[in-house]
Amino acid sequence: GAGVSQSPSNKVTEKGKDVELRCDPISGHTALYWYRQRLGQGLEFLIYFQGNSAPDKSGLPSDRFSAERTGESVSTLTIQRTQQEDSAVYLCASSLAGGLYEQYFGPGTRLTVT
Amino acid sequence: QQPVQSPQAVILREGEDAVINCSSSKALYSVHWYRQKHGEAPVFLMILLKGGEQKGHDKISASFNEKKQQSSLYLTASQLSYSGTYFCGTEDNTGNQFYFGTGTSLTVIP
Repeated sequence: GAGVSQSPSNKVTEKGKDVELRCDPISGHTALYWYRQRLGQGLEFLIYFQGNSAPDKSGLPSDRFSAERTGESVSTLTIQRTQQEDSAVYLCASSLAGGLYEQYFGPGTRLTVT
Repeated sequence: QQPVQSPQAVILREGEDAVINCSSSKALYSVHWYRQKHGEAPVFLMILLKGGEQKGHDKISASFNEKKQQSSLYLTASQLSYSGTYFCGTEDNTGNQFYFGTGTSLTVIP
């Protein structure tokens, strides 16, 4: 079916506002990842969801970041009180069942905090 | 915990070969390789699951030495389309986090 989709593709927000980023994984994929990629930098792991297991939140950069996933479907990454250093491309990936399977990436959400 | 890649950047002429290395200070249980072109999302190349395993994908192959906690990606007879940034990646020992390497920028010129 369709690949991983993310929305919005671009988001410009003012410092201090909250933003919500959405990821729709490939149907049937139980694993879902969120990464942050600053301009010209590598991929920074944020959080990983596997099935109905509670995620390890220690990769989230601060308590302003939170993420949820409903079952094995859509996931949202919420950033509260955005700061300029949050500006980056946020990438979502899904895989069939975790770290031993290839990850399929969505196109990303480019977040700009002004 | 982030794997370290070398070199950081490499420029090749079409037809030349290259090797990209990925080293980890932690035990590696599997190694992924991805390529990311400018302005695009990363694309999967291959995954290696066992120590000493080698895999191939067209003219791109990789090896994984579990004991040395290293993996290498081999690009032979490089093509212009090989240009991009290459990342290795691995999950941590809990399986709850996934780390990509520092990245290697590869540019193939005519």
